[in-house]
Amino acid sequence: RKEVEQDPGPFNVPEGATVAFNCTYSNSASQSFFWYRQDCRKEPKLLMSVYSSGNEDGRFTAQLNRASQYISLLIRDSKLSDSATYLCVCPHFQSGGSYIPTFGRGTSLIVHP
Amino acid sequence: EPEVTQTPSHQVTQMGQEVILRCVPISNHLYFYWYRQILGQKVEFLVSFYNNEISEKSEIFDDQFSVERPDGSNFTLKIRSTKLEDSAMYFCASSETGGVREQYFGPGTRLTVT
Repeated sequence: RKEVEQDPGPFNVPEGATVAFNCTYSNSASQSFFWYRQDCRKEPKLLMSVYSSGNEDGRFTAQLNRASQYISLLIRDSKLSDSATYLCVCPHFQSGGSYIPTFGRGTSLIVHP
Repeated sequence: EPEVTQTPSHQVTQMGQEVILRCVPISNHLYFYWYRQILGQKVEFLVSFYNNEISEKSEIFDDQFSVERPDGSNFTLKIRSTKLEDSAMYFCASSETGGVREQYFGPGTRLTVT
């Protein structure tokens, strides 16, 4: 099983729609996760951290399901400016206790008028 | 708002040449990272660095790669003998604390090896 899996999409939605992405992870020791957004040929920008069951910031809600080992990102009232690739990041712990931040391939979102 | 900066924005080099990519992390951050992203592929971790030592490195970070913090502000990635497959976007990131915490990315250096 891949360490971090995301549906590449693209998710093509009209403005104002609600859209949700999932990200599954394989390392059950992971307890903190992150969502980043990445615009074309730009750097990843931190969107949300998920340290416990979930997090909400305006139109964005992230949730964690430990039993099924996935995190989700919900975007309400989509804007044209939300068009981007959404990257899920999970820590992959090593034997010495350190970790490697492991990125998913990202889910592409296109919001159209 | 403080940000991570990287230079150059684009580097073109010939196969076999050495390149040094430079980063200035956010000033009060103590943990530094390098990532690469080959065009169309996912972001891949290369190395993490704290207290002048490598904390963790991936399988990609082999003997041709090295990192250094030559002074109080710069953090560099050196690729000793570049290969065609090193062509990618290289991102530097920093975080204020250790553990699993938010990282802030620089704008990246696009490396093209010909």
